[in-house]
Amino acid sequence: GAVVSQHPSRVICKSGTSVKIECRSLDFQATTMFWYRQFPKQSLMLMATSNEGSKATYEQGVEKDKFLINHASLTLSTLTVTSAHPEDSSFYICSASGHLIPNTEAFFGQGTRLTVV
Amino acid sequence: GENVEQHPSTLSVQEGDSAVIKCTYSDSASNYFPWYKQELGKRPQLIIDIRSNVGEKKDQRIAVTLNKTAKHFSLHITETQPEDSAVYFCAAKEESGGYQKVTFGIGTKLQVIP
Repeated sequence: GAVVSQHPSRVICKSGTSVKIECRSLDFQATTMFWYRQFPKQSLMLMATSNEGSKATYEQGVEKDKFLINHASLTLSTLTVTSAHPEDSSFYICSASGHLIPNTEAFFGQGTRLTVV
Repeated sequence: GENVEQHPSTLSVQEGDSAVIKCTYSDSASNYFPWYKQELGKRPQLIIDIRSNVGEKKDQRIAVTLNKTAKHFSLHITETQPEDSAVYFCAAKEESGGYQKVTFGIGTKLQVIP
C-alpha cells in the first residue's frame, strides 16, 4: 500500500503556543487529505477535509481559526494547532487519498500524540 | 450528513470461533465501505473494503457483506486468532466529482481469547 508519513509522532508544548503537524504522502499524489482527532478508546473524529490548492472544509464544531490546515502541494498537508490549551491534548491523525482510482482507501499516517501542559 | 452506527462496541470470542461486526449508514450517496484494524498505539490499517456495486467480498479469513437497500454492511472474521485482537472501525465514504467525505463508526474492540 501507499505510504503516508506524519511528523512529529509526539509533541509536548506549553499552553498558548502553536504546534504544526505535517502529513506527507511519500509515493503517491494525495489530492485529498483528512485530519482526524482520536480520544482514548474512541473513534476517529473527522476534523476537516482538504483538497490540494483549496481551502479546507471543516466539520461542524471544529474551529477553523484554531486548527489551521494547509494543503499546498499534492504531497504535503499541515495542521497547526494555534494557541494550544490542555483540552487540545489528543491524538491527531491524518489520512490521504488520491483520485487515480475511484473509490479508493485512504492511507493513514502514524498519528501525532499532542500533550499541552 | 452521514451517520455510521457500529455494534457491538466490545466483542470477546474464543480462539477459532467467528466474529461478526455490523454497521449501518444513513446516506445513500455513500459508495465505498472500508474496514480498518487499529492495534494499540498504531495507525489504522485497511483490512478489507467493498464498493457499492458489490454485495460480498472475501479475503482468506475475512469477509464483508453489503446490503445497499437496508444500508448495512458487516465484517466477518472466521477462525479467529489472538493476533486478531484489536479495535475495528467501519467507515462509509462518499466520493463523487472530486468530493470526498469519510465517516467512521465508533469502533469495536475485539478480544480473542486463547
